[in-house]
This record gives sequence, C-alpha cells and structure tokens, in this order.
Amino acid sequence: SAVISQKPSRDICQRGTSLTIQCQVDSQVTMMFWYRQQPGQSLTLIATANQGSEATYESGFVIDKFPISRPNLTFSTLTVSNMSPEDSSIYLCSVPHPRGGGEETQYFGPGTRLLVL
Amino acid sequence: DAKTTQPPSMDCAEGRAANLPCNHSTISGNEYVYWYRQIHSQGPQYIIHGLKNNETNEMASLIITEDRKSSTLILPHATLRDTAVYYCILVGKSSGDKLTFGTGTRLAVRP
Repeated sequence: SAVISQKPSRDICQRGTSLTIQCQVDSQVTMMFWYRQQPGQSLTLIATANQGSEATYESGFVIDKFPISRPNLTFSTLTVSNMSPEDSSIYLCSVPHPRGGGEETQYFGPGTRLLVL
Repeated sequence: DAKTTQPPSMDCAEGRAANLPCNHSTISGNEYVYWYRQIHSQGPQYIIHGLKNNETNEMASLIITEDRKSSTLILPHATLRDTAVYYCILVGKSSGDKLTFGTGTRLAVRP
C-alpha cells in the first residue's frame, strides 16, 4: 500500500487569503489527484497532477483558483486562492498504486479540513 | 456524472451481514466495479473490486450479476467500526485512474 500524508490536517482561514496544502507519498507515483469534499457531500475531483507537466483541471475548476505544483514524483501542493466561505471543505489527495496482478487501486490521504470565515 | 445508483442509507445489526446494492445499468465492457468506504473524518479506503466474477477478500465479498448491471457488496459480519459511507464506482480505461464518486450509501451498524 501507499502511505500518504497531508499538511496541514486542518486550518481556519480568513476570506481573501490563500492556503497551500501539501501531499507527501512514501513512493514514487506518476499521477496524483486532488479532490474536494464539501460539507455533507461526496468527493469531487479538482485536478490531476502529473510530474513534469501542468495539472489537468476538471470542469468547474481553474488554475487561478487552485494552482497545483508537482515538483517531483512523491510530492504535490494544492493552493486554495482568494478564499471565500464556499471553499470550506475537506481537500484530499490520492494516488494510484499497484496492488499486484497488474491492477491498481487509489490510496487517499487523510484530508485537510479547511474552514473559511 | 456518477454512473452508479445506490440507496442513500441502510442499517444492520452488529454481527449480521450487511448487503449493499449498487445499480450500474450502463456499465461498459472494460469497466470494473470498485467499492470504497469513507469512515467519518477519514479519507476513502479501498475495499474490493471486480470485473465479472464474484470476488472475496479479507474485508468483504462482491457479487456481480451475470449481466453486470448491478452488484452487491457483502460485509459478512458487520461491526460498529463498519459504520461508514460506502461508494460503488466504475473504473475503466476511458476514466484512466480518475474516480467519480456518487452519493454512496450511509451504512449504520446498530449494537
């Protein structure tokens, strides 16, 4: 399995500010994914972060609002910019990891709980 | 959009089997059925997956109908720690490794 850590685990921020969330994996992975989970809702994919190229964003998410860095194969950051209360969510990173037999599953980090006042 | 349909909530008694259904009538030939669960305040956790055969591991069993249009996740002896939201997700080559989460089933295990 892959061990994934995220920092910070939680934060309370003022509107208009930005927060950078870190995701660290204990093995090298090609792709990393960033998800958002709004209160009481399911997970929604924000973007796919590939090392060495720009992130690919899903419909409804833009780079100016959620810039992503992927400096190496074990690390990525997601920044939530110019925050508003609507950005209050849990932000999770995930990575596909081999399970054997040529198959992969997704492993998720513990999440970053963000509250914007 | 999620391609699966699950009941919003279910409950079962501790020690009994929990059977969680999932409908995926538009599943394509190369799509696998994956199950994840999310225990409160944690990241989703992989449970099991299958293509067309029934599968079993240390956590659960997965029963897929012959036409592959529906499946059932079985937790054989539910415990209080199995209380979680369970997600049934289709994963195929067209989606790459991306997971599209539906609303899931909130399972409550009663003591």
